[in-house]
Amino acid sequence: GAGVSQSPSNKVTEKGKDVELRCDPISGHTALYWYRQSLGQGLEFLIYFQGNSAPDKSGLPSDRFSAERTGGSVSTLTIQRTQQEDSAVYLCASSSPLGTKNTEAFFGQGTRLTVV
Amino acid sequence: GDSVTQMEGPVTLSEEAFLTINCTYTATGYPSLFWYVQYPGEGLQLLLKATKADDKGSNKGFEATYRKETTSFHLEKGSVQVSDSAVYFCALRTFGNEKLTFGTGTRLTIIP
Repeated sequence: GAGVSQSPSNKVTEKGKDVELRCDPISGHTALYWYRQSLGQGLEFLIYFQGNSAPDKSGLPSDRFSAERTGGSVSTLTIQRTQQEDSAVYLCASSSPLGTKNTEAFFGQGTRLTVV
Repeated sequence: GDSVTQMEGPVTLSEEAFLTINCTYTATGYPSLFWYVQYPGEGLQLLLKATKADDKGSNKGFEATYRKETTSFHLEKGSVQVSDSAVYFCALRTFGNEKLTFGTGTRLTIIP
């Protein structure tokens, strides 16, 4: 696609429910990143994929968080038993590998998650 | 591991003032360096980048030079405008460990 697409754009959920956030990267981008941004805060790294594997998942806050990527394309971030502290904007980005012409990451518009 | 340290904010300047936002880094390999900007209510977008030592990235009047000797990538603009008010993030990617590492962000406010 033309850009990184995230869905839904907004999600309000009740505490304790599970949520799934989806990211469609730019076609052909092998690297995919998930970040979290709380209100007025910086970017918190969660996980990144190279193809379908996740070389670095060190940022996942707890075992309630998981992510997968299939076919080297779409990724899903799942949060189980949501808590109020999970409320944030979840950002996805994708990029070509370093060494190709365009090395920057392109970000989606994010999913704003509110846990009530 | 890789890390990025950038100037703490918030920064408030008058219109037409000179801007510098400091950024230094540590990297286990040879990084590419980036500045991203987030305007109010919008997503992150690339402002400029540099992929090797002594390269200068530039865009919209902003510049940053990749200084390997000082491991720095400071962002500068000669005359800021109100429309430059945003949060600025310094970032790096290292070949072989392609995780994108960000600084904490610097909130810039320009007053007329």
